[in-house]
Amino acid sequence: DGGITQSPKYLFRKEGQNVTLSCEQNLNHDAMYWYRQDPGQGLRLIYYSQIVNDFQKGDIAEGYSVSREKKESFPLTVTSAQKNPTAFYLCASSLHREQETQYFGPGTRLLVL
Amino acid sequence: GENVEQHPSTLSVQEGDSAVIKCTYSDSASNYFPWYKQELGKRPQLIIDIRSNVGEKKDQRIAVTLNKTAKHFSLHITETQPEDSAVYFCAASVKAAGNKLTFGGGTRVLVKP
Repeated sequence: DGGITQSPKYLFRKEGQNVTLSCEQNLNHDAMYWYRQDPGQGLRLIYYSQIVNDFQKGDIAEGYSVSREKKESFPLTVTSAQKNPTAFYLCASSLHREQETQYFGPGTRLLVL
Repeated sequence: GENVEQHPSTLSVQEGDSAVIKCTYSDSASNYFPWYKQELGKRPQLIIDIRSNVGEKKDQRIAVTLNKTAKHFSLHITETQPEDSAVYFCAASVKAAGNKLTFGGGTRVLVKP
């Protein structure tokens, strides 16, 4: 999982602002995932992508958007429509859709000003 | 969709004792069950996983058991050490559904020296 990077480590968002979280992997993994973790809780799936130029909504996609233009990159945009964005955001990847094991990046902590 | 319940939410054990965490899942099609360890502010790290064609798997002091009929699986940590203190998450996924992981709520384990 050392091949998955996320930036920035901390991100501050103002009211009405869209912000984008970066996730990059150099593992040549096909599948990538975004999770949200609230304090003291488990991880919830926001979006996932199994192949370039294709992605699907997870359980809590409202207020978020993604793109998958390159295999190694899966950025997540937190839009102004997400009214409670404060959380720890984790990106993960797996080799391909037939390989279940997911490895996580170090995370981005998003705070609202 | 899949629902994963995890118990207990907190677990305090004496160093050297065993710790057991239990999870139940709802979707009988689930076929992959990983366990992650997360230290404060860090990424989840995969510690062990099991697939539905196996009933038990062991790796040194860690073991996982799976009961497909009852739809539950458990993590066993023997000879606990202070460095085992962390939050542990179970998860379940269905390969045919894109390997989306559904996580339990987590168990905070404290190993007292």
